[in-house]
Amino acid sequence: EADIYQTPRYLVIGTGKKITLECSQTMGHDKMYWYQQDPGMELHLIHYSYGVNSTEKGDLSSESTVSRIRTEHFPLTLESARPSHTSQYLCASSRGGTETQYFGPGTRLLVL
Amino acid sequence: AQSVTQLDSQVPVFEEAPVELRCNYSSSVSVYLFWYVQYPNQGLQLLLKYLSGSTLVKGINGFEAEFNKSQTSFHLRKPSVHISDTAEYFCAVSAKIKAAGNKLTFGGGTRVLVKP
Repeated sequence: EADIYQTPRYLVIGTGKKITLECSQTMGHDKMYWYQQDPGMELHLIHYSYGVNSTEKGDLSSESTVSRIRTEHFPLTLESARPSHTSQYLCASSRGGTETQYFGPGTRLLVL
Repeated sequence: AQSVTQLDSQVPVFEEAPVELRCNYSSSVSVYLFWYVQYPNQGLQLLLKYLSGSTLVKGINGFEAEFNKSQTSFHLRKPSVHISDTAEYFCAVSAKIKAAGNKLTFGGGTRVLVKP
């Protein structure tokens, strides 16, 4: 069973606030990913990382930023939250040379 | 680039009846194929995957899928569903090239509602 954690699970916040969504995995996976999922919609890749100090933007443009200072940790930050950022954010990881991504439980963000 | 189309957005089905969820993909390179399930308020869980070899793939919870290269399809089936199978199901692909970095492209999802 995959060990990948996301906090918080739910977040309600006002416009203009800075937020950081946490994602950690204990499997030693080198690749990590962030997906955005609007209600009833497909997932879109917004960021990914192939290892420490490596980050890339995904297929869907996002105002969020990410960092990868440690292998196990891949936080996502929004400097100034807006209602358009309301969505579910899913973190995933995979081991180099394998194809399977393991997903965390997600963070549901509501920006008022 | 890849794209994935799940032909049914919702599939209502009675308990103990069979179900098939359809998935078609488009890609200029060979791909790996996946089915994930998402239960309410949870993340995604891998049901099964096709990497190579036999085109019939068996997964968890009694699900199976068949890869059809000529029709670029990867349909998911279960012969007898349970109430607990009520969930959203996502088909996904990733390109079989190292440079792609295992990035997944998802379909729009199919919501399965199992009725008693």
